[in-house]
Amino acid sequence: EAGVTQSPTHLIKTRGQQATLRCSPISGHTSVYWYQQALGLGLQFLLWYDEGEERNRGNFPPRFSGRQFPNYSSELNVNALELEDSALYLCASSLPGLALEQYFGPGTRLTVT
Amino acid sequence: AQSVTQLDSQVPVFEEAPVELRCNYSSSVSVYLFWYVQYPNQGLQLLLKYLSGSTLVKGINGFEAEFNKSQTSFHLRKPSVHISDTAEYFCAVIPSGTYKYIFGTGTRLKVLA
Repeated sequence: EAGVTQSPTHLIKTRGQQATLRCSPISGHTSVYWYQQALGLGLQFLLWYDEGEERNRGNFPPRFSGRQFPNYSSELNVNALELEDSALYLCASSLPGLALEQYFGPGTRLTVT
Repeated sequence: AQSVTQLDSQVPVFEEAPVELRCNYSSSVSVYLFWYVQYPNQGLQLLLKYLSGSTLVKGINGFEAEFNKSQTSFHLRKPSVHISDTAEYFCAVIPSGTYKYIFGTGTRLKVLA
């Protein structure tokens, strides 16, 4: 069974640009979670999507947004990129009602120059 | 507010020696507890979790952890480490009634030959 996949593996952008990161959950998983792993800050919860709806949001500005598609894949968009947005962005997925068992993808490393 | 503290940012240990990675949490509600491992350039892999029941939890790769409610701790232990255990280890909680992880800042375990 395929795990959570994320694309691209690496992404390099300049300040002010927009970045789009993609995540495909494990088959049968309807919930997708996004986390940011920035140097020195550890892993922080960003967003949770379930059945196409945003269910919860971490303490991040509105320029971090996303969506979940009918096939449960998800997209994270970061607008007006800042240098401190450079981080590893991890996506996780879970079965319906089993948020306590999240499976993580390998991440997308975003570098903002 | 809930928080997770991993006091040791780095732990060097010789191969075949025992190791303990410390984790303490603070929460006004009950929590579910997790340990994840992250190998270089990879996502997170679940080592073990405590949801309820026996306070001694056994996980993969020979790791175990003990939940101590009075000390609000969930330390990770392995009786004999291998070079391949070199990785970063994250302690995390999910407060009851929420569905988002709160991660510690991680402990880098370096196993020396």
